[in-house]
Amino acid sequence: SQQGEEDPQALSIQEGENATMNCSYKTSINNLQWYRQNSGRGLVHLILIRSNEREKHSGRLRVTLDTSKKSSSLLITASRAADTASYFCARPSGGGADGLTFGKGTHLIIQP
Amino acid sequence: DAGVIQSPRHEVTEMGQEVTLRCKPISGHNSLFWYRQTMMRGLELLIYFNNNVPIDDSGMPEDRFSAKMPNASFSTLKIQPSEPRDSAVYFCASSSQTGYEQYFGPGTRLTVT
Repeated sequence: SQQGEEDPQALSIQEGENATMNCSYKTSINNLQWYRQNSGRGLVHLILIRSNEREKHSGRLRVTLDTSKKSSSLLITASRAADTASYFCARPSGGGADGLTFGKGTHLIIQP
Repeated sequence: DAGVIQSPRHEVTEMGQEVTLRCKPISGHNSLFWYRQTMMRGLELLIYFNNNVPIDDSGMPEDRFSAKMPNASFSTLKIQPSEPRDSAVYFCASSSQTGYEQYFGPGTRLTVT
C-alpha cells in the first residue's frame, strides 16, 4: 500500500493541551494535505503544505513537512472539545491536482 | 455556494439491486472525485474526472461499478448488481483546476442487505 500512515491511531487529551499527529509516506510528493472528519460527516480540508515548504500555520494549526524523512506532523494548540474528530493526511495519487491517497487517520478525543 | 451535494444521504437496498448515487460538484470546479470509506480499508479513491472526462478509474473495484459525468454539474456512481460487501460511505469531492484542496460532500451511507 502507498497510503500514508498516521500515528497514533487514537489520541485522547485534556482540553487546553496540545495535540500532535504524525504522518509518514513512501513516495515523493509535491504537496501533502491534512483533512478533518467529524463523526458522520464529510472531510474538511485544513491545510496544504508544498514540498518546498517546511512549516505552515493556520490559526491553531501548525503543519511541518520533512521530505527527507517522508513525514509530516499536525499540531493543534490549545485544544477544544470541538476539535474532537478524525484527522487524515493525504497526498496526490499522481503528480498533480488529482485524486488523493489517504492514510488511516488519527482519532482525536478532547476531554472537557 | 451550497457546497458539494450528494443524494441520497442514506440508501438501504437488497443484494442484487441496482444502486445509483448522485453528486453535484461546486459550481466552477472542474475536477470531481468519488471515494469510498469503510472501517477495514479506510478512504479509497474510486475514480476521478477532469472537465467531465474520466481520468483514472483504476480504483473502481469491479465491473459492477460504473461512473458517469454527463455535464459539469452532475455525476453518478452506479453499482449493479449490489452486494453486501459494497456497504460503505461513498463520498463525492470536487476541486478547481488551480487548487489542490478538495471539497467533500456529506456522503451517502449505503447498506446492502
